[in-house]
Amino acid sequence: DAGITQSPRYKITETGRQVTLMCHQTWSHSYMFWYRQDLGHGLRLIYYSAAADITDKGEVPDGYVVSRSKTENFPLTLESATRSQTSVYFCASSGGINSPLHFGNGTRLTVT
Amino acid sequence: KNEVEQSPQNLTAQEGEFITINCSYSVGISALHWLQQHPGGGIVSLFMLSSGKKKHGRLIATINIQEKHSSLHITASHPRDSAVYICAVRVSGNTGKLIFGQGTTLQVKP
Repeated sequence: DAGITQSPRYKITETGRQVTLMCHQTWSHSYMFWYRQDLGHGLRLIYYSAAADITDKGEVPDGYVVSRSKTENFPLTLESATRSQTSVYFCASSGGINSPLHFGNGTRLTVT
Repeated sequence: KNEVEQSPQNLTAQEGEFITINCSYSVGISALHWLQQHPGGGIVSLFMLSSGKKKHGRLIATINIQEKHSSLHITASHPRDSAVYICAVRVSGNTGKLIFGQGTTLQVKP
């Protein structure tokens, strides 16, 4: 089905482990974004990408790594998970700089 | 002071009431988004606007670029409208980053 999908929906991991959250979109949108949502902070941008092989930092990039080798995929990796990275992560895509945003259903990550 | 401020933070209404949620911003923008998030749910884009007014069903969004202000109106509110409504702005000249408001939590009682 067309759309934007995130996986997994839920993930529990231990401090220090590497975790990768997946994001896949079928529209060939050029822009993709990763946000985290925490109580009291709203949505905060972690990383974004304007096209394949182009990525840039957002507000809170520390501890995260992204790649975009293909237009449709934008994985987010936590290299060494910390408890402060417990959050709900949303991936989004957009066809253009001033086009509507489409969000995935989110990944709830708990770091123990 | 946040660059995007929403008011009110929380809103309780009775079914059928007309609802207004406000968003003020302090930066130059190229577009403003209104988003909806149901409890425990995903985020849906309601509107994207850069001028004037847009309407979709019972929802109306307006923006005044000179006053740096936008409003989201819900006519004939219904309990299923209960959600968090989020305003986000795309800064002029920016490559695509959005600045988000803190959200307005709306509860519509039957």
